[in-house]
Amino acid sequence: DGGITQSPKYLFRKEGQNVTLSCEQNLNHDAMYWYRQDPGQGLRLIYYSQIVNDFQKGDIAEGYSVSREKKESFPLTVTSAQKNPTAFYLCASSQLGDRIYEQYFGPGTRLTVT
Amino acid sequence: GQNIDQPTEMTATEGAIVQINCTYQTSGFNGLFWYQQHAGEAPTFLSYNVLDGLEEKGRFSSFLSRSKGYSYLLLKELQMKDSASYLCAVLDSNYQLIWGAGTKLIIKP
Repeated sequence: DGGITQSPKYLFRKEGQNVTLSCEQNLNHDAMYWYRQDPGQGLRLIYYSQIVNDFQKGDIAEGYSVSREKKESFPLTVTSAQKNPTAFYLCASSQLGDRIYEQYFGPGTRLTVT
Repeated sequence: GQNIDQPTEMTATEGAIVQINCTYQTSGFNGLFWYQQHAGEAPTFLSYNVLDGLEEKGRFSSFLSRSKGYSYLLLKELQMKDSASYLCAVLDSNYQLIWGAGTKLIIKP
């Protein structure tokens, strides 16, 4: 089945540790995105990538880093510089082309940092 | 600044009809999306409107008025499984999605 996988579903870390969230898609989509979702707020874009080996900062990139070495994979690292990392993290992908395509989302990773 | 407004929470009865409104002020407009998100799960795509008018898709319909910066999602014949959050998102002039905070819909028997 085609789709997006994120692992793990729940992640617990101590403050001061970096943590990497995985995102893999087998939809052959060009673009991939990382969002953060906090209660009572809309999804906020952290980073996005439209092509392998290239990515752009979103609205809240500080304290995060990404890589796009393969079309299928777009891991997100939450560094110790991120002031408030506890959140629900969603990865998405979409096709790019001459029309607007919807984004498909993975199941999310809930990160808790104490 | 860019802004998307939706009601925080709505309650409706099983079998009834509910309309969830979304108003937006964004830098440019390249379309409006509605997504459904069950608690703790991924958002799933419902509809995309770029032209004014009503788009119907089964029990769900979405309306857009670009001149008013307004959209609504209409859900008919409500079922308990429709209990979820409904997210409105606008594609701005840079083709970035600007998301509303979502409307939590509670369905009562």
